[in-house]
Amino acid sequence: AQSVTQLDSHVSVSEGTPVLLRCNYSSSYSPSLFWYVQHPNKGLQLLLKYTSAATLVKGINGFEAEFKKSETSFHLTKPSAHMSDAAEYFCVVSGGWNTDKLIFGTGTRLQVFP
Amino acid sequence: DVKVTQSSRYLVKRTGEKVFLECVQDMDHENMFWYRQDPGLGLRLIYFSYDVKMKEKGDIPEGYSVSREKKERFSLILESASTNQTSMYLCASSLNRGEGEAFFGQGTRLTVV
Repeated sequence: AQSVTQLDSHVSVSEGTPVLLRCNYSSSYSPSLFWYVQHPNKGLQLLLKYTSAATLVKGINGFEAEFKKSETSFHLTKPSAHMSDAAEYFCVVSGGWNTDKLIFGTGTRLQVFP
Repeated sequence: DVKVTQSSRYLVKRTGEKVFLECVQDMDHENMFWYRQDPGLGLRLIYFSYDVKMKEKGDIPEGYSVSREKKERFSLILESASTNQTSMYLCASSLNRGEGEAFFGQGTRLTVV
């Protein structure tokens, strides 16, 4: 069965410093992986997705993630945090080779301090 | 832009009531989903549908049912609401099978008293 583990429930950074949100996955096949962001009182928005093309995936708002099969990881990074990045971030794996069922991690809340 | 619209942002219902949550998408997507979101648990899949009149159970279907009579509309039904169903409910739709991006509605915060 497919699953994801987000290693940190909360991450705090200062504005202008790098962001690292960690995600490990488990999958019995080559997975599709996603990062979604949820700003307060707003819907979920796709940040980026990996679908077996390039292992380094660039997303919106300067975020990127690297698929590392040997480490079963898909960590989300950004070189310089902005106040507007404060939100909850979800790592997501597709549920199977023939399904769009998405399996969510438990989320990481990112706080950005001035 | 794809739009997924949930009929209510906030609902308060009494224990034992039958509750309907409605979701409509405007992009002719085949797939539709219902999730519930609880703090510390992320999003958990309740039911999903790949086609009209077709439904499959997700990870936590107990106490819920769904209806998909038209392609654009996917309804979640709480047969007899209970306080442990107090939660944020999110509807989503997607186009492709296997790796498609899902588009989410704004959510319905349901409180059962």
